[in-house]
Amino acid sequence: GAGVSQTPSNKVTEKGKYVELRCDPISGHTALYWYRQSLGQGPEFLIYFQGTGAADDSGLPNDRFFAVRPEGSVSTLKIQRTERGDSAVYLCASSLSREGIQYFGAGTRLSVL
Amino acid sequence: AQKITQTQPGMFVQEKEAVTLDCTYDTSDQSYGLFWYKQPSSGEMIFLIYQGSYDEQNATEGRYSLNFQKARKSANLVISASQLGDSAMYFCAMREGARWAGGTSYGKLTFGQGTILTVHP
Repeated sequence: GAGVSQTPSNKVTEKGKYVELRCDPISGHTALYWYRQSLGQGPEFLIYFQGTGAADDSGLPNDRFFAVRPEGSVSTLKIQRTERGDSAVYLCASSLSREGIQYFGAGTRLSVL
Repeated sequence: AQKITQTQPGMFVQEKEAVTLDCTYDTSDQSYGLFWYKQPSSGEMIFLIYQGSYDEQNATEGRYSLNFQKARKSANLVISASQLGDSAMYFCAMREGARWAGGTSYGKLTFGQGTILTVHP
């Protein structure tokens, strides 16, 4: 597809379960970013990849959160032992430009019951 | 201190009028980028306009322009000739300390709290 694709669009899980959120960036984009957006707030940075490696993971809130991008394209954000406070929209973005403009997917709405 | 401050939680404008959405930022970096995004109720973040800290001209993209005042650390978005479809949440964002590789810049964005714009017919 032409844009950033995120699956699933909605995920409902129970407290304590493990979830995986997938992001498929724009073809050829080398940078991939994950953000988390709570209701009524601006997105907050979690982690970004330059190619296959995590260039900055300073926004991951704790060690329950982990992300990978093994082949430098698709990325998976993994959350272990989910908590109700993890409920949010998880946004993925990719970029490849001099200005570093980030193009976002539609997000995954995670609800932890 | 907040990195990005948007002081207007909500703004109203009449269709076909111009509107300015305020954004101030705080950074000690000399090189940084400023971005505006639109987020309709559908939830997707749509890139609108970019301004680099070294750009001497204010950025323009169609009906969007960025009023960049470096000394005042402000980067206000101006939307001319508002349309009903402009009703959305608008976010200002900044990238500091970009890394460069292969002609591409990399770096996380820090977002403001957003301004909800409502366009009245």
